[in-house]
Amino acid sequence: KQEVTQIPAALSVPEGENLVLNCSFTDSAIYNLQWFRQDPGKGLTSLLLIQSSQREQTSGRLNASLDKSSGRSTLYIAASQPGDSATYLCAVRRAGNMLTFGGGTRLMVKP
Amino acid sequence: EAGVAQSPRYKIIEKRQSVAFWCNPISGHATLYWYQQILGQGPKLLIQFQNNGVVDDSQLPKDRFSAERLKGVDSTLKIQPAKLEDSAVYLCASSLTFSTSEGGGYTFGSGTRLTVV
Repeated sequence: KQEVTQIPAALSVPEGENLVLNCSFTDSAIYNLQWFRQDPGKGLTSLLLIQSSQREQTSGRLNASLDKSSGRSTLYIAASQPGDSATYLCAVRRAGNMLTFGGGTRLMVKP
Repeated sequence: EAGVAQSPRYKIIEKRQSVAFWCNPISGHATLYWYQQILGQGPKLLIQFQNNGVVDDSQLPKDRFSAERLKGVDSTLKIQPAKLEDSAVYLCASSLTFSTSEGGGYTFGSGTRLTVV
């Protein structure tokens, strides 16, 4: 059974810092890995999707890497801003397009 | 394009009562998912539909939870009777297909927050 773990569970940093959020998964037989952002009271917004054959994806200040063989992914956020405050979830996609999520990292960026 | 619509936004019920949640997916999306997100945890898949058929309901507590998508469009998730541990946000999502690549991108609704007291 696939298990996804995210570390740290919560993070509070001053504005401008570069951040690394970690995600690990136990079964490397995945189709892809996706990072989502969740704001309070809102649904999930997709940030980056990395196919199993890829090593990384970039979008603006966000960079996600994937090491499938070791079961790890990292989300790097450059020059953090207060607007980045949210919960970040990683999810691995398995057959049938079903997602298994980690517990999330709750990020607070202080001005 | 309209998003995934869910109602109600909030619901408070007493334990042992019943409750129902409604979801209307994006038009044309054949696949619909219900996820349960307990506070402080990631979402967990309860049930997946492809059109009006169930693809996976292995994590649905069938003694108290039921879901249907009779016409292959909107869907209803019901809990009867509710327990305290059912307090959670219930997220609905849809995708064009259940392919893991083309057309498989999810769109999530804003969720229904259920509190059982």
